[in-house]
Amino acid sequence: DGGITQSPKYLFRKEGQNVTLSCEQNLNHDAMYWYRQDPGQGLRLIYYSQIVNDFQKGDIAEGYSVSREKKESFPLTVTSAQKNPTAFYLCASSSGRAFSEQYFGPGTRLTVT
Amino acid sequence: AQTVTQSQPEMSVQEAETVTLSCTYDTSESDYYLFWYKQPPSRQMILVIRQEAYKQQNATENRFSVNFQKAAKSFSLKISDSQLGDAAMYFCACPSGGGADGLTFGKGTHLIIQP
Repeated sequence: DGGITQSPKYLFRKEGQNVTLSCEQNLNHDAMYWYRQDPGQGLRLIYYSQIVNDFQKGDIAEGYSVSREKKESFPLTVTSAQKNPTAFYLCASSSGRAFSEQYFGPGTRLTVT
Repeated sequence: AQTVTQSQPEMSVQEAETVTLSCTYDTSESDYYLFWYKQPPSRQMILVIRQEAYKQQNATENRFSVNFQKAAKSFSLKISDSQLGDAAMYFCACPSGGGADGLTFGKGTHLIIQP
């Protein structure tokens, strides 16, 4: 079945450590996205990539980094510079055509203590 | 920057009744789509319905329909014959920019279905 996978579902880290969240899609989509969701908030865009080896900052990119070395993969690294990293992280993909629907993965809940 | 406002943090409706969720947005784009996504307790985001801004006809998907008022920048979601499975967070979204630049989401409306 085609879809988006994110692993792990729950992730725990100590403050000061970098952590990488995985996102893989087998939908043959060109565009991929990372969003952050906090309690009582909508989703906020962190980074997005419309094509391999290229990506752009979203609204809240500070303290995060990404790579897009393969079409199907778009990992997100939460660095120690991110002041409030505890959140629910959602990965999405789309065909890349203008205004196309975004398909979402199941999310990763990151807790940093 | 685009903004999306959902003024109803929580709504409650009796099963089988109709409920309308409100959304207003602001965008500088001349051509765009608008989306309603549903997030049940599993937290999986599911597309409910989308509206093409250049189409005057309101979109409909089974029990879900929209009331799109382009001049007022209003995009409300109507759920008819509410079912227990409709209980979820509902998010309105518009494109952050042109093309495939990502989406700007509202803060969501928590929909409760009373049996």
